[in-house]
Amino acid sequence: DTAVSQTPKYLVTQMGNDKSIKCEQNLGHDTMYWYKQDSKKFLKIMFSYNNKELIINETVPNRFSPKSPDKAHLNLHINSLELGDSAVYFCASSPSDRFNGYTFGSGTRLTVV
Amino acid sequence: AQSVTQLDSQVPVFEEAPVELRCNYSSSVSVYLFWYVQYPNQGLQLLLKYLSGSTLVESINGFEAEFNKSQTSFHLRKPSVHISDTAEYFCAVSRTGGGNKLTFGTGTQLKVEL
Repeated sequence: DTAVSQTPKYLVTQMGNDKSIKCEQNLGHDTMYWYKQDSKKFLKIMFSYNNKELIINETVPNRFSPKSPDKAHLNLHINSLELGDSAVYFCASSPSDRFNGYTFGSGTRLTVV
Repeated sequence: AQSVTQLDSQVPVFEEAPVELRCNYSSSVSVYLFWYVQYPNQGLQLLLKYLSGSTLVESINGFEAEFNKSQTSFHLRKPSVHISDTAEYFCAVSRTGGGNKLTFGTGTQLKVEL
């Protein structure tokens, strides 16, 4: 039973398209995150939600819009995709109290052609 | 703000040899420290963490790390590596007391050779 699941695992799309990545966690955590891992494996936080409320919004183009319908789900919608958006996107979750690190999903490899 | 430096981008080592992956952090406040491992085409898995208490922490597969506050370091060690330890290793830091934002280092590729 996967703790943090992301779909799809792979996504190949053309420039200019709009796409969404979904994330769900069944750990009962109240905080969820999106990270971007570039081609050099560097991990950078994009967003964080706590109980459906946005609490971290790093310098990310506003083409990226997170949506949290409930505390178990955090989706990422990307408009007008660009070549530079190609990366692996990781969802993660954690408890907000008694923080002891994140549990990560297996990632979504986005390739924009 | 917190930052993490992993000076070694790649560490080649022979099987059964010891290894140390270096991690230094910068922070003006108290921190939590973590090591994550990423196997090829997989997500990140928590390897070990320092939250408080004993400065030496261990993982179930033989890795250990020691929190050294004076040297602001959290180096990862294993006395004898196995081929299956080949992976990317990330050190990460977050400040205590809220926010829960993890800042990662640039990663160290550990390549174990026969």
